[in-house]
Amino acid sequence: GAGVSQTPSNKVTEKGKYVELRCDPISGHTALYWYRQSLGQGPEFLIYFQGTGAADDSGLPNDRFFAVRPEGSVSTLKIQRTERGDSAVYLCASSLGQGAGETQYFGPGTRLLVL
Amino acid sequence: QKEVEQDPGPLSVPEGAIVSLNCTYSNSAFQYFMWYRQYSRKGPELLMYTYSSGNKEDGRFTAQVDKSSKYISLFIRDSQPSDSATYLCASGAGRRALTFGSGTRLQVQP
Repeated sequence: GAGVSQTPSNKVTEKGKYVELRCDPISGHTALYWYRQSLGQGPEFLIYFQGTGAADDSGLPNDRFFAVRPEGSVSTLKIQRTERGDSAVYLCASSLGQGAGETQYFGPGTRLLVL
Repeated sequence: QKEVEQDPGPLSVPEGAIVSLNCTYSNSAFQYFMWYRQYSRKGPELLMYTYSSGNKEDGRFTAQVDKSSKYISLFIRDSQPSDSATYLCASGAGRRALTFGSGTRLQVQP
């Protein structure tokens, strides 16, 4: 079956611009996670959704970052006024249920470069 | 201090060697322990999953968790060039999202 997909695969933008990153989870998965991975580092948690609601957004670094999942399936991570330090791979994962014990399936990531 | 610490490597071994990868964690509440494998320019994929302490074996891979010392290990027997990747340990508890280590890059030389 189809795995987690993310679009675009690569995004180059200029400092100060707005970007949207999209995640399509595995069908039927109720939990959806966003992580950020910098070069040489592990994934760093940003936010996760259970259904349509954000169950934990404690990892969002500041109010320039926002994410939605309006229908409980596709999610969009939105970054306003991008900064060069936002350059990273943004990973999305989904799991059948909520919680640390559930297997998370990752997408290939969106590589964001802010010039 | 990060909640999960991992030696970044890189680690280079000859084909057929036994590989030992390790992490430590600081949060006593962690109950779930995973190892993910990440190939270059790909997303992580789950390799091993352990709940609480003990060993788990799957083919050439063995995961160990020692909660008393907060130590997580992954052993790879008869390593193959196809095992060359970055290995990420991850831990979590309850409804929290996972906390990942920084990853260890492994290169298996043919």
